[in-house]
Amino acid sequence: GQQVMQIPQYQHVQEGEDFTTYCNSSTTLSNIQWYKQRPGGHPVFLIQLVKSGEVKKQKRLTFQFGEAKKNSSLHITATQTTDVGTYFCAVTSSGSARQLTFGSGTQLTVLP
Amino acid sequence: DAGVIQSPRHEVTEMGQEVTLRCKPISGHDYLFWYRQTMMRGLELLIYFNNNVPIDDSGMPEDRFSAKMPNASFSTLKIQPSEPRDSAVYFCASRTGASGYGYTFGSGTRLTVV
Repeated sequence: GQQVMQIPQYQHVQEGEDFTTYCNSSTTLSNIQWYKQRPGGHPVFLIQLVKSGEVKKQKRLTFQFGEAKKNSSLHITATQTTDVGTYFCAVTSSGSARQLTFGSGTQLTVLP
Repeated sequence: DAGVIQSPRHEVTEMGQEVTLRCKPISGHDYLFWYRQTMMRGLELLIYFNNNVPIDDSGMPEDRFSAKMPNASFSTLKIQPSEPRDSAVYFCASRTGASGYGYTFGSGTRLTVV
């Protein structure tokens, strides 16, 4: 199935600093989704990107899909303690399959 | 909508025992997925159903694992016999068939096999 590399694995930031996590694929992706999982919680869908070069914003979160549709990033501006959690990218297999393959996730710690 | 409902939230069982995890997807969602999450392997897809029919079970680790979806509002994941290496958080997720929508995950079942 489709595989995606996610970096960094861990990130510690001071509250107010920015944060970015990246996902990279060796093959062209049809789309990419992003999820957030709070400690002890379950993954929660954030957004889906479909178009080449697409940029979407949700308040302090900015999501980008690369021009070649092989990479994506999630950027958080001015982190807050509520941003703590693990951020996953997820990609679908080719064809009509609907199953998602998740990246390994980036665990974000925000220090007050 | 109550979301995806999983039970139990926590399960502690002895090695060799049968374990059954339950899931109620969101009404109207055509797809149901079972994932397993561990520190070592992350989120792994075990099996998924479309309109109650199993489509891909290639992620099921062994014959000890089985899953059923007898109707649109209920699915089970059974492990028999259970082993300590099965300890993990098991998530059920569902989604609509329409594009552009993500998965809705349940709160998970934390399984500990001792």
